[in-house]
Formats: sequence, C-alpha cells, structure tokens
Amino acid sequence: SQQGEEDPQALSIQEGENATMNCSYKTSINNLQWYRQNSGRGLVHLILIRSNEREKHSGRLRVTLDTSKKSSSLLITASRAADTASYFCPSFNAGNNRKLIWGLGTSLAVNP
Amino acid sequence: DADVTQTPRNRITKTGKRIMLECSQTKGHDRMYWYRQDPGLGLRLIYYSFDVKDINKGEISDGYSVSRQAQAKFSLSLESAIPNQTALYFCATSDLDSGSTDTQYFGPGTRLTVL
Repeated sequence: SQQGEEDPQALSIQEGENATMNCSYKTSINNLQWYRQNSGRGLVHLILIRSNEREKHSGRLRVTLDTSKKSSSLLITASRAADTASYFCPSFNAGNNRKLIWGLGTSLAVNP
Repeated sequence: DADVTQTPRNRITKTGKRIMLECSQTKGHDRMYWYRQDPGLGLRLIYYSFDVKDINKGEISDGYSVSRQAQAKFSLSLESAIPNQTALYFCATSDLDSGSTDTQYFGPGTRLTVL
C-alpha cells in the first residue's frame, strides 16, 4: 500500500478561495515534501517540512506537520486557475528505504 | 525542469519491440530514478541508482532494465514492449545532501504507447 495517502482524491473550488489538502503516512520520517504536477507534465517540488518542524510557509503555501498523527496538510491561499494541478506528498525516511514514497495525489481544480 | 531532459517525449511502438528511453541531467546529482505513472495508480518506481555503480530494482521492475552510463545519464529499456507498459514515464534526480532531504527534480516525461 502507499506510504503517502492524500485526501481528498479530488477537490474543486472557485478562484480566490483557499484549498486544503491532507496527507497521511505510515512510518517514521525525516521529512515530508509536497509536489505539484500540471496535467501531463513533470512534477515540481513545492515545499519540504522536516520532522522537527510543525509549520512552514512559502508564498501562498502553508504546510503543517503533525508527527503524532502522522499527517500533514497543504493550504493554498487565494487560489488561482494556475493552481489547477495534482498535488503529491511523498515522505522520506533516510534509514529504512532512503527514497521517497509516493501516494496517489489530490487533483485540484480551481474554477475561474 | 530543463536540467533534466528525457528523450523521446512521445513514442508509439508495437508489441514485442525493444524500446529505450533516455534521461540526461546537468544538475550533478548522484541519484537518478525511473518512474511510471498510470491514471489512478500514482507514481510507481521502476529502478533507481544512487551512483554509477549502484542500481536497484523498484516496485515494478519486471519487463524493464536500466543502464547508468555516466553520472549524468540513466536509460530505461523495455526489452519486449507489451500494451500494459503504455504509460507516462518520468526520470528524476536527487542529491542526498547533508540535510537528508532527497528532494527530487523531474524531467518532462515520455508518453509511451504500445500497440
């Protein structure tokens, strides 16, 4: 089964609204990352949060991490049509497998 | 990301043909990966290489092989293509820095169709 599980699988909002996506993982991690994929394109790294961090900001992005619940959330504020994409939250454990573990992603549609 | 290039970008082939997908990177990273993406199945790791002499199977390596010709080049071969290998293929690179982040940088993808 997937280590990273994004929720919801699909989200549709209006331009200007905030979008919140959640992510859960199963084992201990060194960090958790969020990536964006525009339709049919390569994935782009957005933000990384380390296991000893609880919240991180980058522009309109806010990421939280709760290691006790093994979960993370990504908030995109004041969404734009250009934010329409799939979002993934792979986690990384340097000890066990030394590579990112990917989930199925959340598909976000921002309607103009 | 122009630092990671994949060729070809699109390929249509027939069942039984041998196909090679190529990946080159100018980021100077040691780690390289091949993934496939299918609708509803997310990204699945085919093979990965932590340096030129280190090649590892991923979760779906059957029917595929790889070659790490140099630090900058990592090619994926389908020895005898079959229709269920129709997918979007991505190459990625990373550099396990002292912060142990393994942030990955992706190529634009190769869309492969096997008839």
